[in-house]
Amino acid sequence: QKEVEQNSGPLSVPEGAIASLNCTYSDRVSQSFFWYRQYSGKSPELIMSIYSNGDKEDGRFTAQLNKASQYVSLLIRDSQPSDSATYLCAVTLSYSTLTFGKGTMLLVSP
Amino acid sequence: SAVISQKPSRDICQRGTSLTIQCQVDSQVTMMFWYRQQPGQSLTLIATANQGSEATYESGFVIDKFPISRPNLTFSTLTVSNMSPEDSSIYLCSVERRGLGGQADTQYFGPGTRLTVL
Repeated sequence: QKEVEQNSGPLSVPEGAIASLNCTYSDRVSQSFFWYRQYSGKSPELIMSIYSNGDKEDGRFTAQLNKASQYVSLLIRDSQPSDSATYLCAVTLSYSTLTFGKGTMLLVSP
Repeated sequence: SAVISQKPSRDICQRGTSLTIQCQVDSQVTMMFWYRQQPGQSLTLIATANQGSEATYESGFVIDKFPISRPNLTFSTLTVSNMSPEDSSIYLCSVERRGLGGQADTQYFGPGTRLTVL
């Protein structure tokens, strides 16, 4: 049974701070890793993908992957109130099926 | 990415009835998927909609309850049959874009259909 674990939160950070979201996965042969953002009442929106160990940066977002530890994280720099949402970690093998974590709710206070 | 539309955006249905949800993509895609997101929960894959063949269902989901059509590479439908209040959920379709230059294949989601069963 493939599992993806996330702390449900809420994670509360002040505006301008760094938000750190974490995710662990159970299937060692997982190959691709994704972070989706989901605003309340909306569908998930892809914000980052990563599949090699190390860091991948895109604007204020940095995804970090450590396959040996089966751990993937998302850092949001200079957090804004508009970043308040649920962040879903998703993992896939080579045959496309995504397994989602339950998501971490992020609250950024002005 | 992809432009994906779903109809209806929401509906309220009576127990025992069926609802068909449509998913339309702006360009041809090989892989389309149907997910369910129950209140306060994450996404659960129902099935993969295959063009030209039967859908591939995940454990716990059966064709009689969730029949799926995929008549072409831009369109799919999901029917929720003989509904009960436990079927109240958001139903989402997604499409996969093939990765280029070594990038991973990526799924993009439609806006979802919010279903309430009374």
